[in-house]
Amino acid sequence: EAQVTQNPRYLITVTGKKLTVTCSQNMNHEYMSWYRQDPGLGLRQIYYSMNVEVTDKGDVPEGYKVSRKEKRNFPLILESPSPNQTSLYFCASRQGRGAYNEQFFGPGTRLTVL
Amino acid sequence: SQKIEQNSEALNIQEGKTATLTCNYTNYSPAYLQWYRQDPGRGPVFLLLIRENEKEKRKERLKVTFDTTLKQSLFHITASQPADSATYLCLTSGANQAGTALIFGKGTTLSVSS
Repeated sequence: EAQVTQNPRYLITVTGKKLTVTCSQNMNHEYMSWYRQDPGLGLRQIYYSMNVEVTDKGDVPEGYKVSRKEKRNFPLILESPSPNQTSLYFCASRQGRGAYNEQFFGPGTRLTVL
Repeated sequence: SQKIEQNSEALNIQEGKTATLTCNYTNYSPAYLQWYRQDPGRGPVFLLLIRENEKEKRKERLKVTFDTTLKQSLFHITASQPADSATYLCLTSGANQAGTALIFGKGTTLSVSS
């Protein structure tokens, strides 16, 4: 089944403790992206990747890192999480470089930073 | 940079009526707009794409229009059903070139009552 998977689905952590949220897709998509969703602010793009070893900042990249060493994986790294990074996070992927192509979203990771 | 506005946070209609949702953009005319559906706690799901040279697209009970004069896209659901209740999001690119960040509107939550 074609899908985007994220792990963990739920995470409660404390300020400053490094964490990684994994994202994997099995559709051989070139483009992958991370979003955060907050009440009243909607979905905002954090980082995106057009292909392996190619990443770029989205709208709200501060406090996050990403890497794209393999085509299927695009982990999101929070080196020193803070409470304002408490949010619902979504990973997405799409075929090719074309912006017209639909994005496929993962199930989401609900992160709480205490 | 481009801004996307979905003017209504919530829309309540009766079953069988047509729901009309609005997505306005503020700067240049985007090359495309996409519409997604999101159910609570789940990732968005792609519905329709409309390109700048298209005035209208249809898919079953869904219709999207693109009016570059009004800087607006309208999303219609005809013969609405309670199962159509969800949040609907529009999406475009943050700049009018390939490989740029993507921007979502904040969404309109549709409630269809029986």
